[in-house]
Amino acid sequence: TQLLEQSPQFLSIQEGENLTVYCNSSSVFSSLQWYRQEPGEGPVLLVTVVTGGEVKKLKRLTFQFGDARKDSSLHITAAQPGDTGLYLCAFSNTGKLIFGQGTTLQVKP
Amino acid sequence: GAVVSQHPSRVICKSGTSVKIECRSLDFQATTMFWYRQFPKKSLMLMATSNEGSKATYEQGVEKDKFLINHASLTLSTLTVTSAHPEDSSFYICSARGGQGNGGYTFGSGTRLTVV
Repeated sequence: TQLLEQSPQFLSIQEGENLTVYCNSSSVFSSLQWYRQEPGEGPVLLVTVVTGGEVKKLKRLTFQFGDARKDSSLHITAAQPGDTGLYLCAFSNTGKLIFGQGTTLQVKP
Repeated sequence: GAVVSQHPSRVICKSGTSVKIECRSLDFQATTMFWYRQFPKKSLMLMATSNEGSKATYEQGVEKDKFLINHASLTLSTLTVTSAHPEDSSFYICSARGGQGNGGYTFGSGTRLTVV
């Protein structure tokens, strides 16, 4: 069974700090996606990583796909209160999107 | 861009009654839609895959008689929680694939169900 483990599950930091969220598995994936979800809303796609070793940047967010395509990370530089939310990694399995456990991020002003 | 509309956003119902949640793809056709359930501060758990014109495929442990899914058209899937009980209270989210040109998934804004 393919599983995605995210760490940490909860993270509370001060505005301006940097952080990294990890998404790990023992399985190899053709691609991984990262989503952000705010309370009471559906997840919104941030990025899809496809190539092993790939690095993608989205403003202050940097996404990396492991060389072996088994893991991925999300790094946020100078976090802001607006970054608060649930961050989810996910993979597609026979057309179904399966999510990791999620990381709840709280950025305090 | 692709938009998925989910209705209602919030619903409160009495134990024993049934509740229907609608999921519509507004500007694209979705032969497949997905229903998820989410508990507070937890991730999304896939409940079932809704297939237009055929029976839904349920994930292991999900009661198909409790959560009825109908996908009668290319733009509408419905989830009916039958004989609801307080333990069915949760956040339900639908998703549709397609409409983004890259086979991506678009999510509805969710339905908060409270059974009293």
